[in-house]
Amino acid sequence: ILNVEQSPQSLHVQEGDSTNFTCSFPSSNFYALHWYRWETAKSPEALFVMTLNGDEKKKGRISATLNTKEGYSYLYIKGSQPEDSATYLCAYFGNEKLTFGTGTRLTIIP
Amino acid sequence: DSGVTQTPKHLITATGQRVTLRCSPRSGDLSVYWYQQSLDQGLQFLIQYYNGEERAKGNILERFSAQQFPDLHSELNLSSLELGDSALYFCASSVGGGGNEQYFGPGTRLTVT
Repeated sequence: ILNVEQSPQSLHVQEGDSTNFTCSFPSSNFYALHWYRWETAKSPEALFVMTLNGDEKKKGRISATLNTKEGYSYLYIKGSQPEDSATYLCAYFGNEKLTFGTGTRLTIIP
Repeated sequence: DSGVTQTPKHLITATGQRVTLRCSPRSGDLSVYWYQQSLDQGLQFLIQYYNGEERAKGNILERFSAQQFPDLHSELNLSSLELGDSALYFCASSVGGGGNEQYFGPGTRLTVT
C-alpha cells in the first residue's frame, strides 16, 4: 500500500497571509507528483504536475516545489484570498497508478 | 468546465441492482480514469483505460467492470450493488498516461438504498 500523506489535515489562514502545506510520498518508482485544487461541490482541478527533482512551478500566487529524493513536495500560497478556500490534494504517480493523499482543507478567514 | 462529461449526475438504486455510469473524455484525450470517493475516504483510483485498452487497475472490486469504446467514451458497470457502494464516482481524462494532468468530470453521485 502506497502512503501519500498530507499535512496539516486542515488549516485556517487570515486573508492576506501566506501559507504552505506538505505532501510526502514514496521516493521509489517515482514518475510524477500532481497537485489539485478541489472546491466544495465541484471537481478537482489540476494545478501542477511535476516530474523532476528540484522542480518548482508557479501559477499566480500559488507555487510548488518537489524533492523526489526525500519524497516531499510543498505547496505555497502567497497573500491568501477567500477564493483560495478549498481542499488541496496531492497525488503520486508511480507504477502506472495515481495515488491521492487525503488533502489539506484550507479555509481563508476574511 | 473541464470538457469531461459524465452521466447521469445522480443515481438512486436498490441493493442487488446493476448500474452503468458513462463518461466522455475531453476532445483529444486518450486516457480515461475512474475514481470513487466515499464519505470517509479520499479519492480511490479504480481503473484506467488508454485508447481502448486497460492500462492500470487500482482498488476495483470484482463486481465492478469498465470499458473504453472506439469513440473513447467509457462506461463503468457496477453490479450486485451494496449499501457501501454509495459514493461519488469521478471520471477523469488526460492526453497520455498518468504523468499528464487529469481533467475531472462533474461526477455521478450513486446512492444505494
